[in-house]
Amino acid sequence: EVQLVETGGGLVQPGNSLKLSCATSGFTFSTAWMNWIRQTPGKRLEWLAQIEDKSNNYFISYLESVKGRFTISRDDSKSSVYLQMNNLKEEDTAIYYCVYGSHGWFAYWGQGTLVTVSS
Amino acid sequence: DTVLTQSPALAVSPGERVTISCRASESVSTGMHWYQQKPGQQPKLLIYGASNLESGVPARFSGSGSGTDFTLTIDPVEADDTATYFCQQSWNDPYTFGAGTKLELK
Repeated sequence: EVQLVETGGGLVQPGNSLKLSCATSGFTFSTAWMNWIRQTPGKRLEWLAQIEDKSNNYFISYLESVKGRFTISRDDSKSSVYLQMNNLKEEDTAIYYCVYGSHGWFAYWGQGTLVTVSS
Repeated sequence: DTVLTQSPALAVSPGERVTISCRASESVSTGMHWYQQKPGQQPKLLIYGASNLESGVPARFSGSGSGTDFTLTIDPVEADDTATYFCQQSWNDPYTFGAGTKLELK
């Protein structure tokens, strides 16, 4: 059974940082393309970042609006993917999902972790 | 970015056929995918590549379209289909989602 479990969400003040983690199991992580997608309080879904596998040199792509603030990374030895978020803004408040999906569609989603940015 | 436009809401009776539309601001070829999200849950993939049924999804769900106009059809609709349905494109960078169509049953 495919499982993705996000951790690391919480309440953070504007300008601060937070690192999300996603532990996975049930599939061959080393060849998986992994993504972070968030859902705003208004229920909008927004793709944030993708990291490809070793055979693609761990190529990374970002949504333009988070480039330079967010960093996606992975540890194949731990079957885990991460999202480092810096200089957080109130508009970053959302549920953050770790998502497994190659070929452009997203087949497996974690349950999400809530990030609230507020003073 | 490619904007995907969906109708905000629909209300149908169980047993009926419902079509949910998604229009792209530019061509996405067949790079369109559909998700179902129930309250408190994560999205679930239903259709990929415009018309391919994801494994384990009931055959009541189908997808069609190419270019800029796409449709998700549920026939017949069941009470359990109450949810919000999102389209998502992968043809143009970045990946984008529609705002969702909330399906309610009468």
